[in-house]
Amino acid sequence: EIVLTQSPGTLSLSPGERATLSCRASQSVSSTFLAWYQQKPGQAPRLLIYGASSRATGIPDRFSGSGSGTDFALTISRLEPEDFAVYFCQQYYSSPLTFGGGTKVEIK
Amino acid sequence: QVQLVQSEADMKKPGSSVKVSCKASGGTFSNYAISWVRQAPGQGLEWMGGILPIFGTPNYAQRFQDRVTITADESTTTAYMELTSLSSEDTAVYYCARHLQETSAVIPPNDAFDVWGQGTMVTVSS
Repeated sequence: EIVLTQSPGTLSLSPGERATLSCRASQSVSSTFLAWYQQKPGQAPRLLIYGASSRATGIPDRFSGSGSGTDFALTISRLEPEDFAVYFCQQYYSSPLTFGGGTKVEIK
Repeated sequence: QVQLVQSEADMKKPGSSVKVSCKASGGTFSNYAISWVRQAPGQGLEWMGGILPIFGTPNYAQRFQDRVTITADESTTTAYMELTSLSSEDTAVYYCARHLQETSAVIPPNDAFDVWGQGTMVTVSS
């Protein structure tokens, strides 16, 4: 099973600042099989990024994904008030599909 | 725009079973796999397994292999997840989620999830 480790656990930032979230895999997931989700309290996750760097439909371009192999990042260029949430990475390179433990982006 | 609507919250006794439904509307059903993902209170996301409705062949996570059954009914565009031998550790929100890519593979391929149901809270308590 591929283990995904996200860091930091919590990121305290102000609106307008840049956020960089990390996701490290215990073994390579290629450059194609990594996704990022946003989840707000009481809501289902929302797909932001798939294939490590492709934005899902309707996702603003302030969200970008990068990385390959075992190290990936999600960058939010300028935080909007609605971006404060929990973010999860997911690998779909091999079964079982696994998720990282999440990074909470909170208002400083 | 496809939507997934799940059944209502449920409360079960330890040792019993639960069956959660997920009805798809507004889009193609048969050629998009559906997976089930659960989230215990305050915890992360855990993939349980998936199914491609057109073939009905499930793919389970090994840790749930003995307790979960995932099915799909093309005639009603509804997927189901049944979990048996419930314990308090199964208390969680259960989500169905549609795979991103349309496929014709017999075994549902691994994928990201672009459409999610609203979640069904299952509470296991004596």
